[in-house]
Amino acid sequence: GDSVTQMEGPVTLSEEAFLTINCTYTATGYPSLFWYVQYPGEGLQLLLKATKADDKGSNKGFEATYRKETTSFHLEKGSVQVSDSAVYFCALNGRVSGGSNYKLTFGKGTLLTVNP
Amino acid sequence: SAVISQKPSRDICQRGTSLTIQCQVDSQVTMMFWYRQQPGQSLTLIATANQGSEATYESGFVIDKFPISRPNLTFSTLTVSNMSPEDSSIYLCSVGRGTGVRVTDTQYFGPGTRLTVL
Repeated sequence: GDSVTQMEGPVTLSEEAFLTINCTYTATGYPSLFWYVQYPGEGLQLLLKATKADDKGSNKGFEATYRKETTSFHLEKGSVQVSDSAVYFCALNGRVSGGSNYKLTFGKGTLLTVNP
Repeated sequence: SAVISQKPSRDICQRGTSLTIQCQVDSQVTMMFWYRQQPGQSLTLIATANQGSEATYESGFVIDKFPISRPNLTFSTLTVSNMSPEDSSIYLCSVGRGTGVRVTDTQYFGPGTRLTVL
């Protein structure tokens, strides 16, 4: 079945540092890829998405490029802020085996802490 | 996007009791989903709730433990039955856009219900 593997955390950075959170996936067909963010005590918010190979999703200074050749969707930000401290989840939407529906599969999440 | 609310936002319950969680969306949606997020863990899909049909449960989740209702296109409930401390989790509902779930569809999540079972 589909799976998502993302960088183990926690990740601790200083403000204005460069951020990379690695995400690789296994899926049949052509899934869509997502990054969700969960701030402390809140639900999940969509951060960005990409629906086909070589698409770049971007939002709030974060970027991720759908790389089919390496089955990756790494999250990057050039200069993190304290307010970016949260848990980041990589996810894919792929076809359910033998069915016509699609299912969202999540990675385990990466806790990011940004210090002033 | 969609505005999704859940009630209650949190609760502390006794072992053996049941809790019903409500999910309300500000517009009609075809697909609604229920997830569980155990402490420090990722999200696991419990079931998909389509209006007018029985919910579809994922492996490891059964209707007797997690009955779901979907009476209309803007509302769903999840009941956690006969609770034990292992059910302590965050329960989240989400919605998908479109007439059916497509690979490009985005799921939007509610704020979650934090459940503690003593």
